[in-house]
Amino acid sequence: GQQVMQIPQYQHVQEGEDFTTYCNSSTTLSNIQWYKQRPGGHPVFLIQLVKSGEVKKQKRLTFQFGEAKKNSSLHITATQTTDVGTYFCAGPRRAGANNLFFGTGTRLTVIP
Amino acid sequence: EADIYQTPRYLVIGTGKKITLECSQTMGHDKMYWYQQDPGMELHLIHYSYGVNSTEKGDLSSESTVSRIRTEHFPLTLESARPSHTSQYLCASSEGDRGQGYTFGSGTRLTVV
Repeated sequence: GQQVMQIPQYQHVQEGEDFTTYCNSSTTLSNIQWYKQRPGGHPVFLIQLVKSGEVKKQKRLTFQFGEAKKNSSLHITATQTTDVGTYFCAGPRRAGANNLFFGTGTRLTVIP
Repeated sequence: EADIYQTPRYLVIGTGKKITLECSQTMGHDKMYWYQQDPGMELHLIHYSYGVNSTEKGDLSSESTVSRIRTEHFPLTLESARPSHTSQYLCASSEGDRGQGYTFGSGTRLTVV
């Protein structure tokens, strides 16, 4: 079945350091979405990538969709304590489907 | 303000009880979803709906049912709660192909004793 793996599972960084999480799908994805979940909270939508090789930026966050549309990455520059949380990637469960299959998540801890 | 609401926020219930978790959204979204999430883990799709009177099973749909009689309301029912059902249940809605992603509710943290 479909698998969406994220690495690393956990990441501890000093405040100000950069952080990257990688998302790898066993199947080609029509699009990929990223979500952030704060401790004790619910996932919040960050962005959707659709095109092969697409790169999008949101302030200190940079999202990239791989050329083969099977992998993606999220890079945070100069982390802040407000970046703490778990970052999930998600892709359609089947081609053309609107329901999502979520990745395993990367839990980010930022040490002040 | 357009939003998605889940009740109750927390629930402790005995084994064998029937429970219904409520989810309502005011955004007029056709598509709604239920996910189960254990602490710190990934989300697993339980059920989804693409509109009124349309429901489909996800990956963890056994032992639960849903209904979609009104666009804004998508309740989840566990017929007989078991300790293995202890988890967080997240409801979400979306417009589908508009690239806006899911909007999640605050979740229901269920404990079955």
